[in-house]
Amino acid sequence: IAGITQAPTSQILAAGRRMTLRCTQDMRHNAMYWYRQDLGLGLRLIHYSNTAGTTGKGEVPDGYSVSRANTDDFPLTLASAVPSQTSVYFCASSEGAKNIQYFGAGTRLSVL
Amino acid sequence: GQNIDQPTEMTATEGAIVQINCTYQTSGFNGLFWYQQHAGEAPTFLSYNVLDGLEEKGRFSSFLSRSKGYSYLLLKELQMKDSASYLCAVRDGNYQLIWGAGTKLIIKP
Repeated sequence: IAGITQAPTSQILAAGRRMTLRCTQDMRHNAMYWYRQDLGLGLRLIHYSNTAGTTGKGEVPDGYSVSRANTDDFPLTLASAVPSQTSVYFCASSEGAKNIQYFGAGTRLSVL
Repeated sequence: GQNIDQPTEMTATEGAIVQINCTYQTSGFNGLFWYQQHAGEAPTFLSYNVLDGLEEKGRFSSFLSRSKGYSYLLLKELQMKDSASYLCAVRDGNYQLIWGAGTKLIIKP
């Protein structure tokens, strides 16, 4: 593994189902983030974690939860998916004074 | 509220120069980033400005004026592979990144 790995690459999900998007990084970065990207809108922060054991809410946290049990993993869970959660989800991590964020390849989620 | 504005789409010719503008209004400022995103791929880091002035990196340069809330990304000697979306993002006073919607750059031969 090099960088950030997200799984699955894409998923079609029935409304009401529970879904966990996985994110793993091997760069030992302290900070990690989950974004959603929708056409015509900028990336919107869902949740973030500044270090293992801590998490925080971003701009659009409703309907999503996260955990950060260790440095490498930062899963995002949709407890009961709704069609408005159809989007592309990006996980990112950052480190250093400039706090440059590095992104995974994304998960394309369709909720029907 | 916080706002990042950049043009939705621009078209340029291979070999030419293009300037993509970004204006911002945020609660505090702790740096401005430019990212490149090819269709269907992840954003990748291009440049970072925290002080006023021009930062040059090969064919790409980025400029910042904090007093005007303005930045631009300058791409020289355009190549077909530069066709992508260019995202402007500002780190606000809470150290969170606020993202613009991106500028889709179309390069024509």
